[in-house]
Amino acid sequence: QSALTQPASVSGSPGESITISCTGTNSDVGGFDYVSWYQQHPGKAPKLMIYDVSKGPSGVSNRFSGSKSGNTASLTISGLQAEDEADYYCSSYTSGSSFLLFGGGTKLTVL
Amino acid sequence: QVQLQESGPGLVKPSETLSLTCTVSGGSVSVSYYWNWIRQPPGKGLEWIGYIYYSGTTNYNPALKSRVTMSVDTSKNQFSLKLISVTAADTAVYFCARAKPLSSNGRWSPNWFDPWGQGTLVTVSS
Repeated sequence: QSALTQPASVSGSPGESITISCTGTNSDVGGFDYVSWYQQHPGKAPKLMIYDVSKGPSGVSNRFSGSKSGNTASLTISGLQAEDEADYYCSSYTSGSSFLLFGGGTKLTVL
Repeated sequence: QVQLQESGPGLVKPSETLSLTCTVSGGSVSVSYYWNWIRQPPGKGLEWIGYIYYSGTTNYNPALKSRVTMSVDTSKNQFSLKLISVTAADTAVYFCARAKPLSSNGRWSPNWFDPWGQGTLVTVSS
């Protein structure tokens, strides 16, 4: 099964808001509310930022929010900060044989 | 809080077996979570390898299923990964991670992953 589709890169200036998209099919993103988002700084392990489309784990800044429309999920980061510069990955449950899929990752650059 | 730590050889020869262990601290492996292996080739994205439940139930990524075996040792609070017949394409950082299970139409699957181990780089080379 193909990975979920994310833009390779996005950028924004401090204080701005950016949105990262994650596009799948009605067998994964569109069919279930089981999308999660991870932040990964270079050389570090991924960190859970959003789960079940729009829920934020304890301890994660509320500047991070998630949503979904049709087969596309989105991660929005408001009030961009330098520390938000990282790679971001989406993941979704799939009714296919793979159980779950990851996106290819998006590199966020804070200008 | 729960912490995970991977351990194992950093270099494996082609055609041999990659073996890694994840030690769980700050909590028990014998709880209602799935224990997972996920890998990331250098400069690339994440790939889910599979999970094991403390009862020994496993599910693997179909792309790797023929080469993967996972096991759990509840007495040591550890779970392990074996990947046979490795090639250079198996060179990656290997992460272990805990996952909240979900049930959809009677099928159980990992949902979200938290926490993760720090990861360990395994290079396949002669």
